Amino acid sequence: AQSVTQPDIHITVSEGASLELRCNYSYGATPYLFWYVQSPGQGLQLLLKYFSGDTLVQGIKGFEAEFKRSQSSFNLRKPSVHWSDAAEYFCAVFTGGGNKLTFGTGTQLKVEL
Amino acid sequence: DAGVTQSPTHLIKTRGQQVTLRCSPKSGHDTVSWYQQALGQGPQFIFQYYEEEERQRGNFPDRFSGHQFPNYSSELNVNALLLGDSALYLCASSPIRDRPGTEAFFGQGTRLTVV
Repeated sequence: AQSVTQPDIHITVSEGASLELRCNYSYGATPYLFWYVQSPGQGLQLLLKYFSGDTLVQGIKGFEAEFKRSQSSFNLRKPSVHWSDAAEYFCAVFTGGGNKLTFGTGTQLKVEL
Repeated sequence: DAGVTQSPTHLIKTRGQQVTLRCSPKSGHDTVSWYQQALGQGPQFIFQYYEEEERQRGNFPDRFSGHQFPNYSSELNVNALLLGDSALYLCASSPIRDRPGTEAFFGQGTRLTVV
């Protein structure tokens, strides 16, 4: 069965520091991968997506992610975190048929000023 | 473009009652999916509607049902509410005619509390 693992439940970084959020997936076919961000009480906003081609994808708000097939990973990175980046981040994989998404359990990001 | 809109934003119901949540998709989108997000969890897929029919279903009991209207808007109905149904219910719309995995746009969600 398809699954997504986000091993870090909580991460705290200082403003201006770099960030990497981990995501591992289990999916038999070529994965379509996504990172979403959710602010408190809000819906999900797409940060970036990977379908094919260049394994380093750029997203909004200065985020990027790298797809590594050999490691079944799709880690999210940002060189310099801003206080407004504090939110919950979800990795997701498209699992066939329409646009059904399987999500990880999320990583809560706290930014210290 | 108003994006995906959901109503109501918050709802409190009693165990055993029934609830209806509503979703209007983003303009140009004809597919609506519903997700349940329990506290501290990622969203879980409930079902998807396209051309007014349920096309896919996640691991949810028959108490969860839905409908899609000719204007592509959708309703999620939950019967015989349980305390465990308390969650944020998210609606997502997408243009299914595009290739698989096309971005799904999410609404702000409906926070359902069952007491």
